[in-house]
Amino acid sequence: AQSVTQLGSHVSVSEGALVLLRCNYSSSVPPYLFWYVQYPNQGLQLLLKYTTGATLVKGINGFEAEFKKSETSFHLTKPSAHMSDAAEYFCAVTGWGSDEKLTFGTGTRLTIIP
Amino acid sequence: EADIYQTPRYLVIGTGKKITLECSQTMGHDKMYWYQQDPGMELHLIHYSYGVNSTEKGDLSSESTVSRIRTEHFPLTLESARPSHTSQYLCASRNRGLAVNEQFFGPGTRLTVL
Repeated sequence: AQSVTQLGSHVSVSEGALVLLRCNYSSSVPPYLFWYVQYPNQGLQLLLKYTTGATLVKGINGFEAEFKKSETSFHLTKPSAHMSDAAEYFCAVTGWGSDEKLTFGTGTRLTIIP
Repeated sequence: EADIYQTPRYLVIGTGKKITLECSQTMGHDKMYWYQQDPGMELHLIHYSYGVNSTEKGDLSSESTVSRIRTEHFPLTLESARPSHTSQYLCASRNRGLAVNEQFFGPGTRLTVL
């Protein structure tokens, strides 16, 4: 079984500042991890994913995340926040196998302060 | 790019009405999913399908039903809508051939039952 904990339901950063959204996971099998972004009144869009290989994963819109097995974490970062980054961000985990379900965290709402 | 469509995008309806939320994808994906998302909350899986004539209930109990007569189409029906059904409904699909459960999402239907 898997679970995801996103620390901080709301995060506010100033435009141009570092964005850090935290995600910790629990998994009984090697995890595959995802970050999705949801803009208001939209569906979910995949930002980035970790499957195997390099633990630092780069995604769209300048975001990246690092898989740290020892810390069971997959935090999302962006060096410089832009107003267009304001959205809801969801971390998700699944195990290997085509029948594994995708388990989502409760989401973090990112607000950008002008 | 993922092509998955949901209609209507917004629906306001009175109690007791029968409604069908449409979901279609043009990617030939075998697996399809319905999630329910309340404002500021995580996504809850309510139905999924492995292919034509396959439907399964998800983790969250729902009074809705689904059908899968064609690969590309996965409609969700509520026989008698109630205010407790007010929520956002997201449809997703994935390629069964992939080992990792990476899902593509539609834009969602926001349902309000008065």
